[in-house]
Amino acid sequence: SAVISQKPSRDICQRGTSLTIQCQVDSQVTMMFWYRQQPGQSLTLIATANQGSEATYESGFVIDKFPISRPNLTFSTLTVSNMSPEDSSIYLCSVEPGPYNEQFFGPGTRLTVL
Amino acid sequence: AQSVTQLGSHVSVSEGALVLLRCNYSSSVPPYLFWYVQYPNQGLQLLLKYTSAATLVKGINGFEAEFKKSETSFHLTKPSAHMSDAAEYFCAVSVGSGNTGKLIFGQGTTLQVKP
Repeated sequence: SAVISQKPSRDICQRGTSLTIQCQVDSQVTMMFWYRQQPGQSLTLIATANQGSEATYESGFVIDKFPISRPNLTFSTLTVSNMSPEDSSIYLCSVEPGPYNEQFFGPGTRLTVL
Repeated sequence: AQSVTQLGSHVSVSEGALVLLRCNYSSSVPPYLFWYVQYPNQGLQLLLKYTSAATLVKGINGFEAEFKKSETSFHLTKPSAHMSDAAEYFCAVSVGSGNTGKLIFGQGTTLQVKP
């Protein structure tokens, strides 16, 4: 398994601003993932982040809106840009440390956009 | 394309009763399957996983799940519910292999446990 922390744990932001979410893992991992969980909904994958390469975005998510950095094997950031109330969600990062695709999740960042 | 369907968005049981949460999957290749639990205001915790070994998988907190290929199902059970089991449960399927796998999640089932 892996221990994952996220900062901030929650934030309230004004529309039009940007927020950067940090994800820190206690061990080196190749694959890191960013998910969005809208209120009362399931998880939707935003992008996959590998160290040393551009993130791979899922359909409906674009780099200009959700830029991602992956500077090393234990850290990643997700920025939610030019926010609107529709961006109010929980954002979770996860890692895949083993061979069977099981992922371990951080505690999430609860974002409210006013 | 892979997909996951959880039957029942809300399940309510009495404390001590059997818990059964249903999950059906669609996959063109042998899947890896997972159950996660999310307690209020927390991230997801892995309950158990199926990785093509034993079809009956035991997980944490007394939960288990059985992989039935003929029924494309991976239902989660627990013989006796505790109040602490009240949470959101997600079934997920892996859409890749090795180090390229992504997870597709079901819509989730809220488990309510009544005293």
